[in-house]
Amino acid sequence: GQQLNQSPQSMFIQEGEDVSMNCTSSSIFNTWLWYKQDPGEGPVLLIALYKAGELTSNGRLTAQFGITRKDSFLNISASIPSDVGIYFCAGVNSGYALNFGKGTSLLVTP
Amino acid sequence: NAGVTQTPKFRVLKTGQSMTLLCAQDMNHEYMYWYRQDPGMGLRLIHYSVGEGTTAKGEVPDGYNVSRLKKQNFLLGLESAAPSQTSVYFCASSYPSPLHFGNGTRLTVT
Repeated sequence: GQQLNQSPQSMFIQEGEDVSMNCTSSSIFNTWLWYKQDPGEGPVLLIALYKAGELTSNGRLTAQFGITRKDSFLNISASIPSDVGIYFCAGVNSGYALNFGKGTSLLVTP
Repeated sequence: NAGVTQTPKFRVLKTGQSMTLLCAQDMNHEYMYWYRQDPGMGLRLIHYSVGEGTTAKGEVPDGYNVSRLKKQNFLLGLESAAPSQTSVYFCASSYPSPLHFGNGTRLTVT
């Protein structure tokens, strides 16, 4: 599948700080998805983006579908300790073929 | 509503042994997937199915076989386990997007 470049690879921040991570690709996608994985569990969907330029929020999380359709970013505002985990982006072209980034590992200190 | 259920949760195999990982979903999803997750590699697609009785190869299919005899079940088989197959395996389902993941099977091959 197409390679997704997700950055940063890891982040170590203090509680209350804002977080930003992004995914870029050399190919365009019709859908961008953001997942979070807690230790010992499977990834859980956070936000789904279906239209170029779309900006969608889910609580303290905000994600955008880049207008070029080759990138997406995820912001977390006012981080809390339970935000700790690995965040994955995924790009979708056909209905079932997902391409995942390698993940951003987030650590939050109180 | 259980979502996606994987069994077993943990397994240790000796090189050359065989086993089957079971995945069941109760969401009536058409598509099902098997991924493996290794440190620093993100999620890599092994095999997938777009409907009952159909299967297709993903990014890393060698050494694995799958079957989708019933819509709600997707089985992943290892005929002759190798240490390189030590990993965490995730099953997922979708209709067709986004994916819903199970909680994983941690497999160690010694």
